[in-house]
Amino acid sequence: EAQVTQNPRYLITVTGKKLTVTCSQNMNHEYMSWYRQDPGLGLRQIYYSMNVEVTDKGDVPEGYKVSRKEKRNFPLILESPSPNQTSLYFCASSLEAGFNEKLFFGSGTQLSVL
Amino acid sequence: AQKITQTQPGMFVQEKEAVTLDCTYDTSDPSYGLFWYKQPSSGEMIFLIYQGSYDQQNATEGRYSLNFQKARKSANLVISASQLGDSAMYFCAMREGRYGNKLVFGAGTILRVKS
Repeated sequence: EAQVTQNPRYLITVTGKKLTVTCSQNMNHEYMSWYRQDPGLGLRQIYYSMNVEVTDKGDVPEGYKVSRKEKRNFPLILESPSPNQTSLYFCASSLEAGFNEKLFFGSGTQLSVL
Repeated sequence: AQKITQTQPGMFVQEKEAVTLDCTYDTSDPSYGLFWYKQPSSGEMIFLIYQGSYDQQNATEGRYSLNFQKARKSANLVISASQLGDSAMYFCAMREGRYGNKLVFGAGTILRVKS
């Protein structure tokens, strides 16, 4: 089944404890992206990747890191999480980065930073 | 500047009736795509419908149709014959430019279908 897989689904952590949210897609998509969803703000892009080893900042990149060493994986790293990073996170991918390309989303990761 | 505006934070509709969810967008790029996604209470993002800036006809997908008015920069989602399962958050989104690096989202509209 074609899908984007995120793990974990839920995560509770404490301030300053490094964490990684994994994202993997099995559709051979070139483009991958991370979003956070906050009430009243919709989804905002954190980072995106056009292809392997090509990543760039989105609208809210502060406090996050990403890497794209393989085409299928695009992990999101919070080196020192803070409470304002409590949010619902989505990984998404599309075949390419064109304006007509539909994004496929993972099921989301609900993160709470205490 | 806000690129996608959804002015209805919440809507109610009676089961079996049609409902329109508003979306206006802002771009100066001639190449763009407009998307609607549904997010039920379980949290996943479900793609509903797509409209390209060069498309001559309004997009339709089953009970969903997109009322695309290019000059007014609006892309309203019409759901016909509402069902209880349509109760969810709905997001309008836009991807612009040849490389479409971002999918920019509106704040969303919560739809509640009454029986």
